[in-house]
Amino acid sequence: EAGVAQSPRYKIIEKRQSVAFWCNPISGHATLYWYQQILGQGPKLLIQFQNNGVVDDSQLPKDRFSAERLKGVDSTLKIQPAKLEDSAVYLCASSLDQGSYEQYFGPGTRLTVT
Amino acid sequence: SQQGEEDPQALSIQEGENATMNCSYKTSINNLQWYRQNSGRGLVHLILIRSNEREKHSGRLRVTLDTSKKSSSLLITASRAADTASYFCATDKGYSTLTFGKGTMLLVSP
Repeated sequence: EAGVAQSPRYKIIEKRQSVAFWCNPISGHATLYWYQQILGQGPKLLIQFQNNGVVDDSQLPKDRFSAERLKGVDSTLKIQPAKLEDSAVYLCASSLDQGSYEQYFGPGTRLTVT
Repeated sequence: SQQGEEDPQALSIQEGENATMNCSYKTSINNLQWYRQNSGRGLVHLILIRSNEREKHSGRLRVTLDTSKKSSSLLITASRAADTASYFCATDKGYSTLTFGKGTMLLVSP
């Protein structure tokens, strides 16, 4: 079974530029998550989708971050404009459904904002 | 905000020894999960324990949950060098919305 795919794996941009990350979850998984992990900390949930609807985006900085999950499969996360403090690893995860299910994580995208 | 807090922040042991990590949290939960993260395999789910369970085993892993004290522990028996990683507890208040702690860095020396 293929895992969660993410691209790109690495991205370096200057502050005030925009960037987009892509995620393809495990086939058949209804729930998709985007996390931000800053060095030395645990992942922080940014947004959670159930199929193509948003379940939780309470920690998403909506003035600069946006995410969509069209057709309930792939998802993109965008940052515009980027700030220095956005430097982090952005992890995508998926689970079979909401409830007591384990989450499967992708390899992440390491973003450096200079 | 971080719901779970792991203790200790770092742990260094020899191969063959047992490693114990603790997690404390603040609010009621639906379940608690432990994850491992290393550079080779990324973030991987280890075990899930529901709020009505007190203990769970998976191979060399043993997890306990005390909801009255709002705490959990992860025991790794007979540690191997390959167990070197960061270990995170994550609490789920419902709907699979996980809140991760800052993690415990485990170093297992040969």
